[in-house]
Amino acid sequence: DSGVTQTPKHLITATGQRVTLRCSPRSGDLSVYWYQQSLDQGLQFLIQYYNGEERAKGNILERFSAQQFPDLHSELNLSSLELGDSALYFCASSVVGSEGYTFGSGTRLTVV
Amino acid sequence: DQQVKQNSPSLSVQEGRISILNCDYTNSMFDYFLWYKKYPAEGPTFLISISSIKDKNEDGRFTVFLNKSAKHLSLHIVPSQPGDSAVYFCAASGGVNTDKLIFGTGTRLQVFP
Repeated sequence: DSGVTQTPKHLITATGQRVTLRCSPRSGDLSVYWYQQSLDQGLQFLIQYYNGEERAKGNILERFSAQQFPDLHSELNLSSLELGDSALYFCASSVVGSEGYTFGSGTRLTVV
Repeated sequence: DQQVKQNSPSLSVQEGRISILNCDYTNSMFDYFLWYKKYPAEGPTFLISISSIKDKNEDGRFTVFLNKSAKHLSLHIVPSQPGDSAVYFCAASGGVNTDKLIFGTGTRLQVFP
């Protein structure tokens, strides 16, 4: 157990639907990062939150949004889902900085 | 634009031999480099890192070498063990967004007996 909890582990949904992925960071970590891993692709950075505020944005689609709550857990909302959104979505947390993120085990999203 | 590249999608090595995984980067602002290891159905786990002020960092069987002039780093695993079979990701950070890690596409290492 890495200390970063992601739920659900698996999600199957239809095109056009909306889903919410949840991440609880490791205790004491203020930064949360979301990454997407599609088939045969590396980990694509989506967005980072630090202590409740958006800190950096990557290749995140407009149909996707995220937030970090006062208790530091984060949610990634994916809407108007398309088949190409099928991927593994990872959350990672760190105290601050990039000196070794701790990753969760990911949510596998399948859009049918 | 892929700023961190791992050009070998897979590598097969015999147990006991050396495994060498390579990574190239294009952004000269990167000043911190990491390797992560990923098993199926698990998230990536941190393996070893190196700062740009060094050219080598060693941790047990794992050594990372950094060649800044060539914008190249490599991970050496000696001796390789079957339990090392996994996907290895190279990552880099630096510049304006120092927290953000940019990952390569990964190299699948298979260590056979």
